[in-house]
Amino acid sequence: AQSVAQPEDQVNVAEGNPLTVKCTYSVSGNPYLFWYVQYPNRGLQFLLKYITGDNLVKGSYGFEAEFNKSQTSFHLKKPSALVSDSALYFCAVRGPSGSARQLTFGSGTQLTVLP
Amino acid sequence: SAVISQKPSRDICQRGTSLTIQCQVDSQVTMMFWYRQQPGQSLTLIATANQGSEATYESGFVIDKFPISRPNLTFSTLTVSNMSPEDSSIYLCSVQPRTLNIQYFGAGTRLSVL
Repeated sequence: AQSVAQPEDQVNVAEGNPLTVKCTYSVSGNPYLFWYVQYPNRGLQFLLKYITGDNLVKGSYGFEAEFNKSQTSFHLKKPSALVSDSALYFCAVRGPSGSARQLTFGSGTQLTVLP
Repeated sequence: SAVISQKPSRDICQRGTSLTIQCQVDSQVTMMFWYRQQPGQSLTLIATANQGSEATYESGFVIDKFPISRPNLTFSTLTVSNMSPEDSSIYLCSVQPRTLNIQYFGAGTRLSVL
């Protein structure tokens, strides 16, 4: 069975500082990896994905993520955090075929950017 | 991408009643999904609703409790039947366009059961 771990329930960072939100995964075969963001009283918004190619993926709002196959990680990063980045972030994974194509979400990380 | 309209955005319901949630997409999609997000928790897949076939339910979810309709390629409904306070959650509709390996989500329906 596939799974996603987001080890930090809460991440606090000062505005202007770099931020990292951690994610590790387990899946059979090559992973399809995703990051979503959820603002209060809103649905999930797609940020970025990794399917194949360059290990460093760039997404919306200046976010990027690095795929590391040996560490089975897909950490979300941003060089300079904004207060408006404060939200709930979800990492998700699915496998390439069959029932593994179902999307599995991590438990979420609440990011707070302090002014 | 896909634009998803979900109705109602929120509701407060009495125990024992049923609520039907609608999901409308601005383009034709084969794969639609319904998720539940309980307070302070992650998303759990309830079922996959593909047009032209019966919905496929995940472990712990049954058709009698969460009947789903998928009459065409742009619309689906999820009914939460015989509600109890434990059904208080956010219910999210999601679609995956055929040409993209991305699921897009509606804004969700915030359900409170008294």
